[in-house]
Amino acid sequence: QKEVEQNSGPLSVPEGAIASLNCTYSDRVSQSFFWYRQYSGKSPELIMSIYSNGDKEDGRFTAQLNKASQYVSLLIRDSQPSDSATYLCAVNPLPGNTGKLIFGQGTTLQVKP
Amino acid sequence: SAVISQKPSRDICQRGTSLTIQCQVDSQVTMMFWYRQQPGQSLTLIATANQGSEATYESGFVIDKFPISRPNLTFSTLTVSNLSPEDSSIYLCSVAVGGANTEAFFGQGTRLTVV
Repeated sequence: QKEVEQNSGPLSVPEGAIASLNCTYSDRVSQSFFWYRQYSGKSPELIMSIYSNGDKEDGRFTAQLNKASQYVSLLIRDSQPSDSATYLCAVNPLPGNTGKLIFGQGTTLQVKP
Repeated sequence: SAVISQKPSRDICQRGTSLTIQCQVDSQVTMMFWYRQQPGQSLTLIATANQGSEATYESGFVIDKFPISRPNLTFSTLTVSNLSPEDSSIYLCSVAVGGANTEAFFGQGTRLTVV
């Protein structure tokens, strides 16, 4: 059973702080990793993709991937109340990147003003 | 990215009936996917829909319950058949865009309530 695991939270951080979201996956053949943000009542929105070991930065977001440890994380700098949402880690379970995804259960982030 | 239109956005259906959900994309895509998100849960892949071939279903999902059509490269439908209250969920269409670094984008979802 291929699995993606996240701490469901809620993770609560003060406004302006760094939020750190973590995800582990079970299948070593996975090559593509994604973070989605989902606001309540809305569909998932892609915020980061990462394919290689190391860090990838996009604005206030940094994705980190460690394939040896089967671990991917998302850092949100200068957290804002508008960042309050559920963050879904998703993994492509196949050697190629087809768009097929296995999702973690999501981590709820609360940013308090 | 891609613009994905999914409809209906929500529906309330009687048990024993069926609901067909439509997904329209603004560009031709090879791979389309259907997911289910049960209340308070994450997304679970139902099936992969490829144009010109039968859909590929994930474990726990069967064609008789979730028939899928993919008549062309911009459109797909998912039917949820013989509805029961346990089918009350959000159903999401997704498309894969890009080459080597394919990314998946989602429609706005269909919220189904079975009474």
